[in-house]
Amino acid sequence: AQSVSQHNHHVILSEAASLELGCNYSYGGTVNLFWYVQYPGQHLQLLLKYFSGDPLVKGIKGFEAEFIKSKFSFNLRKPSVQWSDTAEYFCAVNAQGNTPLVFGKGTRLSVIA
Amino acid sequence: KAGVTQTPRYLIKTRGQQVTLSCSPISGHRSVSWYQQTPGQGLQFLFEYFSETQRNKGNFPGRFSGRQFSNSRSEMNVSTLELGDSALYLCASSYPGGDEQFFGPGTRLTVL
Repeated sequence: AQSVSQHNHHVILSEAASLELGCNYSYGGTVNLFWYVQYPGQHLQLLLKYFSGDPLVKGIKGFEAEFIKSKFSFNLRKPSVQWSDTAEYFCAVNAQGNTPLVFGKGTRLSVIA
Repeated sequence: KAGVTQTPRYLIKTRGQQVTLSCSPISGHRSVSWYQQTPGQGLQFLFEYFSETQRNKGNFPGRFSGRQFSNSRSEMNVSTLELGDSALYLCASSYPGGDEQFFGPGTRLTVL
């Protein structure tokens, strides 16, 4: 069965600091990879996705993620965080072919001034 | 294009009761998936419907059931509610052949 691990439960950063959130998955086949964000009181929104091709994907709001197949990783990065990035971030994976999403437990990001 | 809508947004029930939650997918989307979100377990897949047929099912007891109508709207039902069923229930839809899911705002269920 697939599983997704997010290494950090809660990350606290100052504004303008760089961000990297870890995500590792276990699955032997071809996968799609996603990062979703849930702002306080709002619904899950897609930040970025990887289906195939260039392993460095860029998403909304300056976020990017790199798929490293050999490490089964899909880490999320942002060079300079803002207070408005305070949210919960979820990594998710599914096997290609309309299969259910498997989510990590999430990482809560708090950005302080 | 309107997003995924879920009704009701909030619900309070007591143990032993049953509840029905509703989800209207984005127009043109035919696949609807349901997830349960709790602080301890995170997001867990319940089931997925496509063209009125259950296509995938997660590891939840039979008290959790769902259905999909010909207009792609979906309902999920939980019978004999338990305290542990308190959660945010999320619905997501996707277009035919698509792997990206679009989420609704969720229904917050509290079981007392």
